Amino acid sequence: AQKITQTQPGMFVQEKEAVTLDCTYDTSDQSYGLFWYKQPSSGEMIFLIYQGSYDEQNATEGRYSLNFQKARKSANLVISASQLGDSAMYFCAMREGQGGKLIFGQGTELSVKP
Amino acid sequence: DTGVSQDPRHKITKRGQNVTFRCDPISEHNRLYWYRQTLGQGPEFLTYFQNEAQLEKSRLLSDRFSAERPKGSFSTLEIQRTEQGDSAMYLCASSRAGGFTDTQYFGPGTRLTVL
Repeated sequence: AQKITQTQPGMFVQEKEAVTLDCTYDTSDQSYGLFWYKQPSSGEMIFLIYQGSYDEQNATEGRYSLNFQKARKSANLVISASQLGDSAMYFCAMREGQGGKLIFGQGTELSVKP
Repeated sequence: DTGVSQDPRHKITKRGQNVTFRCDPISEHNRLYWYRQTLGQGPEFLTYFQNEAQLEKSRLLSDRFSAERPKGSFSTLEIQRTEQGDSAMYLCASSRAGGFTDTQYFGPGTRLTVL
């Protein structure tokens, strides 16, 4: 069964520093997508970045990059130059093959200190 | 593009009452998804539609829950005879099509409190 594990319930980072949020996944499917979402205290889920299982290069979107290590089944999110507005919950999610649903991890709460 | 919208944003109800939530997806998105999120947890899948057809339902979707997407545009999620355990954030998302590369975009959610 597919599963997402985020082992860091909470993280602190100094403003302007980089931070890595961990995500490991478990699937027997060869075709899958990995997603990161940000959820501020207001509640909406904001899409950040996507990595496909067949993508050879790590995905990047502005200050966000995804460190994809397929053999280790990890898909860590790297946020560079943290800003106060980055304080939020971050969720890693996976979608297999032609399936519709996303499977989410438990989330990591990131706090950026001034 | 207008994003996914949900109505109402907040709902307080008494145990045993019925409630209905509405979701309007991004226009031209064929797929619409419902998730439920309880405090401190990640969202859990409930059901999804491709156009009018409901393609998958989670075991979480008990007989008291029903979802519809009658014309392939907006969707409603109804909970009958609400219980305190139904208190959660109900999130709607939409996407263009299926496949593992397809990104789902979420609405702001409806927060349900059952007293």
